[in-house]
Amino acid sequence: EAQVTQNPRYLITVTGKKLTVTCSQNMNHEYMSWYRQDPGLGLRQIYYSMNVEVTDKGDVPEGYKVSRKEKRNFPLILESPSPNQTSLYFCASSLWGDWADTQYFGPGTRLTVL
Amino acid sequence: ELKVEQNPLFLSMQEGKNYTIYCNYSTTSDRLYWYRQDPGKSLESLFVLLSNGAVKQEGRLMASLDTKARLSTLHITAAVHDLSATYFCAVDMSYGGSQGNLIFGKGTKLSVKP
Repeated sequence: EAQVTQNPRYLITVTGKKLTVTCSQNMNHEYMSWYRQDPGLGLRQIYYSMNVEVTDKGDVPEGYKVSRKEKRNFPLILESPSPNQTSLYFCASSLWGDWADTQYFGPGTRLTVL
Repeated sequence: ELKVEQNPLFLSMQEGKNYTIYCNYSTTSDRLYWYRQDPGKSLESLFVLLSNGAVKQEGRLMASLDTKARLSTLHITAAVHDLSATYFCAVDMSYGGSQGNLIFGKGTKLSVKP
């Protein structure tokens, strides 16, 4: 089954404790992206990647890191989480090129930083 | 800076009625996406619009793109309760080729009542 998986789905942590949210897709997609969703602010792009070893900042990259060492995986790293990073996070993937393709979203990770 | 504005943000409709959601954006782009999100769920891709004049239809939903007016519409025909959800448009900050940097509107929460 074609899917985007995220782990963990729920996480409560404390300020300053490094964490990683994993994202994996099994569709051989080149493009992957991370978003956060906050009430009243909608979805905002954090980082995206057009292919292995190629990453770019979205609109709200501060406080986050990503890496794309393999095509299927695109982990989101919070090296020193703060309460303002409490949010619902979505990973997405798609084919990409001169055409644009539909994005497939993961189920989401609800993060609470105390 | 690209801004994407959706309106209305809240829409209460009666079953059987027609309505339109508008998505305006502030800079040149020829790629626009529509997504649906059910409460507590992830996002589901509805339409990908790639050029001026593009029109796509799926069931009771029809989306169109006017790149000159920087406007996309999502038209709902004869609404049914199952269409109740939040609808997002997203614009790719590119013209003539994808960049992958997407800006989302804040979403339109649609409620269809009997």
